Parts: sequence; C-alpha cells; structure tokens
Amino acid sequence: DVKVTQSSRYLVKRTGEKVFLECVQDMDHENMFWYRQDPGLGLRLIYFSYDVKMKEKGDIPEGYSVSREKKERFSLILESASTNQTSMYLCASSPPGGWRYEQYFGPGTRLTVT
Amino acid sequence: KNEVEQSPQNLTAQEGEFITINCSYSVGISALHWLQQHPGGGIVSLFMLSSGKKKHGRLIATINIQEKHSSLHITASHPRDSAVYICAVIVYNNNDMRFGAGTRLTVKP
Repeated sequence: DVKVTQSSRYLVKRTGEKVFLECVQDMDHENMFWYRQDPGLGLRLIYFSYDVKMKEKGDIPEGYSVSREKKERFSLILESASTNQTSMYLCASSPPGGWRYEQYFGPGTRLTVT
Repeated sequence: KNEVEQSPQNLTAQEGEFITINCSYSVGISALHWLQQHPGGGIVSLFMLSSGKKKHGRLIATINIQEKHSSLHITASHPRDSAVYICAVIVYNNNDMRFGAGTRLTVKP
C-alpha cells in the first residue's frame, strides 16, 4: 500500500522561528511536491523536486526553502515563520511524468504561526 | 480570476440524492484530475481524464474539452461521501497543474 507520511498533523510556532516540515514516501517516486492550501484559494505549489538534490520553484516559493538529500525524504523549511504562513501544508509524490500520473498525497500538516 | 473555477462552493444534500459538481477552466489542458479530500486533510485521486467519461462505482466524471468544462456526479449519495472535491487541470505545453478552490459536500442522513 502506497504511503506518504508527514512529520506532524498539527504544529504551532511563534513568529520568527525556523520551522521544518518533513515528508517521507515509500514508493521510490522520483517526484515530490510541497503545496499549501488556503480557504478559497485551493492548492498552490511551493516547491517540487524531480530527483535527489534537485529542486524547482513553484508558484509561491517566497519565504520557503526545501531540501532533498535522500530520494524518499523532502523537507520544507520556513526560515523565519510569519503569521501569513499559517496554512495547511500538503506533501505529494509521483512517478516520473509528474502530474500526468496520479499524485499521492500525505495527510497534511496544519501549521499555525502566532 | 482563477484559471479553474468550481461550483458550487458548498453543497448540502440528503442521502440518496444525485449530486453534480462542476469545474470550468480557462487554459488549454492535456488532462484533468478530480480529487477527494476528507476531513483531516488527506487527498486521494478519484479520476484522471482527458476526454469523454469515466465511471467508478457511484462516481461518474465527464469532460467536454471544447466547452472547457468537467462534471463530477455522485449517484445515490451517502453521508460517507461528505468531503471536499477538488478539480485540477494539467496545463497543456508546460505540464503545470492548476487547482480549483474545491467544493465542500455534506450529505445528511
């Protein structure tokens, strides 16, 4: 059974803190993605990675960075959290070909920055 | 204006009713996904289609490429169908994915 896991379901952080969100997939997928989801806006792509140590900016990369040191793990980093980064963060993975194939999503991390 | 528009935003139905959720898009696409997101956040893929119609159990998805429109139908709706349904398109040429804001469906017993 395919699986994408995220390190936390709920997270509360203070403004200015450095925040790490971890995502792990067990399907040996090349592609991994980080999205944020906000009411009325739908999912928006922050960053994606198509291979180890490779990364590409998505639609809203400002304020975020990513790390992919191993194929199964893709981390999203908020260098200095701000209240406008309060959101639901979703990780996904897919085989080569990206969105032409099914994406498998993690359960999401609801981050609150106070 | 969002490139992918869904309607309605919220939908409440009685168990057994026939449900239709609509998705219109303004870009050229190579395919369209329907996704289901249950309370708690997890998203699963229901369909990917590029033409015609697909059926899976009580779920039917149709797409009209010329009209730039897709519909998701649920027959004999059940409370367990309560979820947010998300339409997403794969943009032709660049393979970007664009998401609708979702339709929140509540089916009451």
